[in-house]
Amino acid sequence: DTEVTQTPKHLVMGMTNKKSLKCEQHMGHRAMYWYKQKAKKPPELMFVYSYEKLSINESVPSRFSPECPNSSLLNLHLHALQPEDSALYLCASSQDRSTDTQYFGPGTRLTVL
Amino acid sequence: QKEVEQNSGPLSVPEGAIASLNCTYSDRVSQSFFWYRQYSGKSPELIMSIYSNGDKEDGRFTAQLNKASQYVSLLIRDSQPSDSATYLCAVTAFSGYSTLTFGKGTMLLVSP
Repeated sequence: DTEVTQTPKHLVMGMTNKKSLKCEQHMGHRAMYWYKQKAKKPPELMFVYSYEKLSINESVPSRFSPECPNSSLLNLHLHALQPEDSALYLCASSQDRSTDTQYFGPGTRLTVL
Repeated sequence: QKEVEQNSGPLSVPEGAIASLNCTYSDRVSQSFFWYRQYSGKSPELIMSIYSNGDKEDGRFTAQLNKASQYVSLLIRDSQPSDSATYLCAVTAFSGYSTLTFGKGTMLLVSP
């Protein structure tokens, strides 16, 4: 089973709202990733967690705050977003950081008004 | 700067034909190569991975890797309209940790 789940599927929020995206995997993977994807562009890496520790932050603005409560869960907390942050947010996981094969969740379609 | 290049397309083929998707990469130490399929509005789905030179077949899909030429391709035999999607080539180079570098994707259109 290579399933990564994400909630919610769709999210509409105002620029003053605080919301969270959730990602879960039960494959025993120890590396988890957040990507942002704009229309007709490839996914852009935002954060990498390895063994529940943040190992890569690709210079993402502080209005995006990742959290890894345990090895199966990954959250992305959103606050004071801008309309240009509207995108598809993808979570992925891999066995660990040295293993390349990443499996993506279905994504959360975020619209910031 | 690692780069992965793909023709953006669209690549149009008739149903039943072979679709050939190509990808070149700039980082010579790249070790792992992936093809993801992405339908409009959906997330990327892993189609194939390849790690060594040569061909790797899985059903209607064949991935080909030539590290000397820094070239990886995906052949889709007996193309079906349901294969119409954007195909993303992704490359990684292990250096203590690995991150994927994606190409911009090639849109494939299979006409009935």
